[in-house]
Amino acid sequence: DMKVTQMPRYLIKRMGENVLLECGQDMSHETMYWYRQDPGLGLQLIYISYDVDSNSEGDIPKGYRVSRKKREHFSLILDSAKTNQTSVYFCASSRDRGRAETLYFGSGTRLTVL
Amino acid sequence: AQSVTQPDARVTVSEGASLQLRCKYSYSGTPYLFWYVQYPRQGLQLLLKYYSGDPVVQGVNGFEAEFIKSNSSFHLRKASVHWSDSAVYFCAVSAAGYQNFYFGKGTSLTVIP
Repeated sequence: DMKVTQMPRYLIKRMGENVLLECGQDMSHETMYWYRQDPGLGLQLIYISYDVDSNSEGDIPKGYRVSRKKREHFSLILDSAKTNQTSVYFCASSRDRGRAETLYFGSGTRLTVL
Repeated sequence: AQSVTQPDARVTVSEGASLQLRCKYSYSGTPYLFWYVQYPRQGLQLLLKYYSGDPVVQGVNGFEAEFIKSNSSFHLRKASVHWSDSAVYFCAVSAAGYQNFYFGKGTSLTVIP
């Protein structure tokens, strides 16, 4: 079953706390993504990972970092979270870096930073 | 600069009516075009995609889209909508060898029974 799993689904943190969002996929996809979704803004790309330890900044990487130590697992880390990082975060994966393949999305993590 | 414009933030139609959701893109190369749908509290799911060939592509659940290069458009259509089509629809563009996808801001569709 092709699946992208995100944990947790909901998370409430205080400003200044560290946040870890986790994402797994069972399709052996090379490429994984982190997006954030805000009302009226659509999806904004935070980071792309092309494979293990091969990560690239997206359009809005400031305040975030990522870790990919296994192909099937991609983490998003917020060091000292800020209130403007309150958002819904989506992880996605795609099969082939050589062409623009279909993105498979997780169900999202709704993060609230108080 | 690459971008996608979905000019209609919200669309309301009656069940059984036809539907068109508009998408225009700006892309310097040859575009790959996608429509995704997002149901409440879920991630995005692919409806259809266009890479090349026949400019009219068929997707799931009776959706189709037409690539019009001269107009830089990729509008989504459905002949007869159902209440279960109520969701947010996103148009996206990318290109071969380039892994970033640019998404529009989405169109929220409400189908009235």
